[in-house]
Amino acid sequence: GQNIDQPTEMTATEGAIVQINCTYQTSGFNGLFWYQQHAGEAPTFLSYNVLDGLEEKGRFSSFLSRSKGYSYLLLKELQMKDSASYLCAVLDSNYQLIWGAGTKLIIKP
Amino acid sequence: NAGVTQTPKFRVLKTGQSMTLLCAQDMNHEYMYWYRQDPGMGLRLIHYSVGEGTTAKGEVPDGYNVSRLKKQNFLLGLESAAPSQTSVYFCASTQAGDSTDTQYFGPGTRLTVL
Repeated sequence: GQNIDQPTEMTATEGAIVQINCTYQTSGFNGLFWYQQHAGEAPTFLSYNVLDGLEEKGRFSSFLSRSKGYSYLLLKELQMKDSASYLCAVLDSNYQLIWGAGTKLIIKP
Repeated sequence: NAGVTQTPKFRVLKTGQSMTLLCAQDMNHEYMYWYRQDPGMGLRLIHYSVGEGTTAKGEVPDGYNVSRLKKQNFLLGLESAAPSQTSVYFCASTQAGDSTDTQYFGPGTRLTVL
């Protein structure tokens, strides 16, 4: 079966750095997405990786290792507004998105 | 551009009642999707459409029907609602599903079935 695993919840301090991990087992791989979802709102796109390595976009970076079935989202200089759920999703061989359950990130002052 | 819109935003139904959720997008996207989101679970695909007049089943299609009569609209119907269909429903669209295009989401419909 297809499976995406992420931690359920993480806590971090304002101004710090946090890494959210995602491991996946899917039928085929056509890329991995990270989305941010604030409580009661729709998911919004953060990043996309299809090749191994690190993609940096401002305070957010995303890393992919296809051989290990592993990705992480790195958030630097955390702000209170970063409190949200972070969703990992893999585009499988049928170009369907398979979603993880999401990681709820709590930022404390 | 409004992007992706959904109506209604909230709804309470009694078991056995029917309703239709409407999704509209003004980005001229070909692909549209209906997901449900439940606590502790990832988004699950209910049905999707690869273009006007076409629909296909996703991961959890039972109890739902869809129609895509116009390119910009994608309707999700519940013929006889059940408490297990209590969920948050999201519509999404993308330019072309067989690519790496980002999916754009609507604001969601929060449905409670009593």
